[in-house]
Amino acid sequence: GDSVTQMEGPVTLSEEAFLTINCTYTATGYPSLFWYVQYPGEGLQLLLKATKADDKGSNKGFEATYRKETTSFHLEKGSVQVSDSAVYFCALSDMTTDSWGKLQFGAGTQVVVTP
Amino acid sequence: ETGVTQSPTHLIKTRGQQVTLRCSSQSGHNTVSWYQQALGQGPQFIFQYYREEENGRGNFPPRFSGLQFPNYSSELNVNALELDDSALYLCASSLAGPLYEQYFGPGTRLTVT
Repeated sequence: GDSVTQMEGPVTLSEEAFLTINCTYTATGYPSLFWYVQYPGEGLQLLLKATKADDKGSNKGFEATYRKETTSFHLEKGSVQVSDSAVYFCALSDMTTDSWGKLQFGAGTQVVVTP
Repeated sequence: ETGVTQSPTHLIKTRGQQVTLRCSSQSGHNTVSWYQQALGQGPQFIFQYYREEENGRGNFPPRFSGLQFPNYSSELNVNALELDDSALYLCASSLAGPLYEQYFGPGTRLTVT
């Protein structure tokens, strides 16, 4: 079945450092790919998405490119802030089947940014 | 525009009991999905409801059941609670179809003792 694997955390960074969170996936169909963020005590918020190969999703300084050849969707940000401290989830949804409503999540990566 | 709301915020139950969790969709949304997020894990899809019918189910036993009402709000019912059911239960609403974003509520934290 479909699955998502992302790097384990916690990832601890200093403010203004470069952030990369690796995410790879396996899917039999043509998935759309997502990054969600979860701040402490809150639900999930969609950060960015990409619906086909070579698409780049971007939002709030974060970027991720859908790489079909490497089945990856790595999240990057050039200069993190303390407010970026959160748990980040990579997810996929197979849009070509009846399971379009099912989001398959990775285990999450906690990011801690220190001043 | 009101976002997705869930109640209660926290709940403590004893093994073997039954629980009902509630979710109000964002205005205009007709589809509701439920997820279970165990501590330190990613959310796991339980099921989705569209037009009051189940529209897809994850790998959860039948003691997990749901309802969607004509106003698109939804309930998640869990019977015969087990210790492993302790988790954050997330509800997400959306418009129907693969192109639409799911908007998540803050979740209900269920503890089974």
